[in-house]
Amino acid sequence: QVQLRESGPGLVKPSETLSLTCTVAGAYVNSHYWNWVRQPPGKGLEWIGNIYFSGNTNYNPSLTSRVTISVDTAKNQFSLRLRSVTAADTAVYYCARSLSYGVDVWGQGTTVTVS
Amino acid sequence: DIQMTQSPSSLSASVGDRVTITCRASQDIKHDLVWYQQKPGEAPKRLIYATFTLQNGVPSRFSGSRSGTVFTLTISSLQAEDFATYYCLQCNTFPWTFGQGTKVDMK
Repeated sequence: QVQLRESGPGLVKPSETLSLTCTVAGAYVNSHYWNWVRQPPGKGLEWIGNIYFSGNTNYNPSLTSRVTISVDTAKNQFSLRLRSVTAADTAVYYCARSLSYGVDVWGQGTTVTVS
Repeated sequence: DIQMTQSPSSLSASVGDRVTITCRASQDIKHDLVWYQQKPGEAPKRLIYATFTLQNGVPSRFSGSRSGTVFTLTISSLQAEDFATYYCLQCNTFPWTFGQGTKVDMK
């Protein structure tokens, strides 16, 4: 059974960098695509981007200038860095796997508040 | 970016009702459409992928269809556990884009 778990600070100051890590169990990050998706309070889902184990990344153009997704195959983790955050970046952040056709397995989500 | 226009944004229904939610893509995405269900405080759950294919364990009252660039999620007979918010996702072209969501609540 594949399980993903997000970890990182729940509170980030404006203009600083949001950093989250997703730890994967039951699968290996050296295959498939690995994604980050966020959901502001009371709003819909926004795809942030993904990474293939080779390092190939795809980002949402609305965030490209501020986002970096990386993978650590030795730790079986992948990470999100979002620079220069504002209150608009306050959201639940989900890590998720893409096996085929979008996201199939999601982490439980972690709330990040920018304040 | 491909825009996904989902409708309605909300609907009220009763147990046993037939419910239909649509997503219109701004361009051809072939069959690369996924439906998710999300309940409050939970991560989304994949219901249907590749337009028609039911995720393992999802009840057969859920179904998906396509007519051109319009995709439909149908719940044939709404059950109490189906009250939730539903999202579509196009995974044909990066950036992947979600519909705005449809909240299904009790009439």
